[in-house]
Amino acid sequence: TQLLEQSPQFLSIQEGENLTVYCNSSSVFSSLQWYRQEPGEGPVLLVTVVTGGEVKKLKRLTFQFGDARKDSSLHITAAQPGDTGLYLCAGVPNFGNEKLTFGTGTRLTIIP
Amino acid sequence: DAGITQSPRHKVTETGTPVTLRCHQTENHRYMYWYRQDPGHGLRLIHYSYGVKDTDKGEVSDGYSVSRSKTEDFLLTLESATSSQTSVYFCAISPTDRAYEQYFGPGTRLTVT
Repeated sequence: TQLLEQSPQFLSIQEGENLTVYCNSSSVFSSLQWYRQEPGEGPVLLVTVVTGGEVKKLKRLTFQFGDARKDSSLHITAAQPGDTGLYLCAGVPNFGNEKLTFGTGTRLTIIP
Repeated sequence: DAGITQSPRHKVTETGTPVTLRCHQTENHRYMYWYRQDPGHGLRLIHYSYGVKDTDKGEVSDGYSVSRSKTEDFLLTLESATSSQTSVYFCAISPTDRAYEQYFGPGTRLTVT
């Protein structure tokens, strides 16, 4: 059972469209990160959210942490081909050994 | 740029042979990690280190060992490689003051035939 469920698993949209991907859990997280990974490379940290309800913006990307700190979303406005990649959420559970746990990712393709 | 390199970047080896992967960092970060990434499983933690000679197991540590004799180097060893260990291996570091954030190396693609 995956602690962090990401949806959709795959998403293919036209350049210029908007999209939202989700990261959900039944557990509470003390913090949550979003990473983007391109083929043949390691994941690159995009953002960290730590407060319930927190919203952070990174150019055309908007990240939100759920009020209960169990879920997060990533919204991309006017998607561009350079946004193509694997988007991973990862969080530190608010219990136990507190090691970073990764979701299985959303593979995003932006069609020019 | 977190100054992380991994070597080798690609390796093909035969079942039963020992393999050592190296992770090198230039920033003297305390925390270092080894992950494997497989389709359908995402990134899974193999072992991690919180200082020289201080290491601990992750969720998929069976068949792997690690060593950290210097701050800058974290070695992952497959004592006797199996085909199920074919994967892409990533090293990561965390800054001491932001231990929940991780910065990844470029990865090593290992194929066990």
